[in-house]
Amino acid sequence: EIVMTQSPATLSVSPGERATLSCRASQSVSSNLAWYQQKPGQAPRLLYGASTRATGIPARFSGSGSGTEFTLTISSLQSEDFAVYYCQQYNNWPQNFGGGTKVEIK
Amino acid sequence: EVQLVQSGAEVKKPGESLRISCKGSGYSFTNHWITWVRQMPGKGLEWMGRIDPSDSYINYSPSFQGHVTISADKSINTAYLQWSSLKASDTAMYYCARLRSTVTMLDAFDIWGQGTMVTVSS
Repeated sequence: EIVMTQSPATLSVSPGERATLSCRASQSVSSNLAWYQQKPGQAPRLLYGASTRATGIPARFSGSGSGTEFTLTISSLQSEDFAVYYCQQYNNWPQNFGGGTKVEIK
Repeated sequence: EVQLVQSGAEVKKPGESLRISCKGSGYSFTNHWITWVRQMPGKGLEWMGRIDPSDSYINYSPSFQGHVTISADKSINTAYLQWSSLKASDTAMYYCARLRSTVTMLDAFDIWGQGTMVTVSS
């Protein structure tokens, strides 16, 4: 099965700054990767899938990559963006998630 | 409004059985696969398996095969996750989620239930 590795585990960023989150797959998943945001006590929310932002997601979130290397960039962090972010591949089953990156206030 | 509504929190003893539910509304339930995801306390997300509600075809993650049973009743737009004999290690939040696409399984999960917390303790 495909192993998804996210880095860093924790990212400390000041509001207004740029955040770059990485996700690596143990083998190619083509462009079949999604990003989710999860805030404490809430269900995950889809941010990005099939290289496109999900409905209602602000343009400051952008995803890139294909094959084994992927990046989620948040151009200017807002207070509501501090959360845990997960990548997930859906190219093969089981459709594993990465371990998550926590974006915290610096 | 498109939504998935899950059943309430459960507290069980080891060895007991349990079935939790996930009811879809606001869309054609049989057109979208449903998946189940586990989140143990303070941990990340784990994909458990998925079901096609139109014919109840199921894929399980090898990590969960044989430990849980996924099912669906399309007549009442509801998917289920069940255990025949719970263990303390089953203590977790369980989420159901809807596959966004109606034509391919190669897509993300766009609608999530609110989660069902299962606590297994003697």
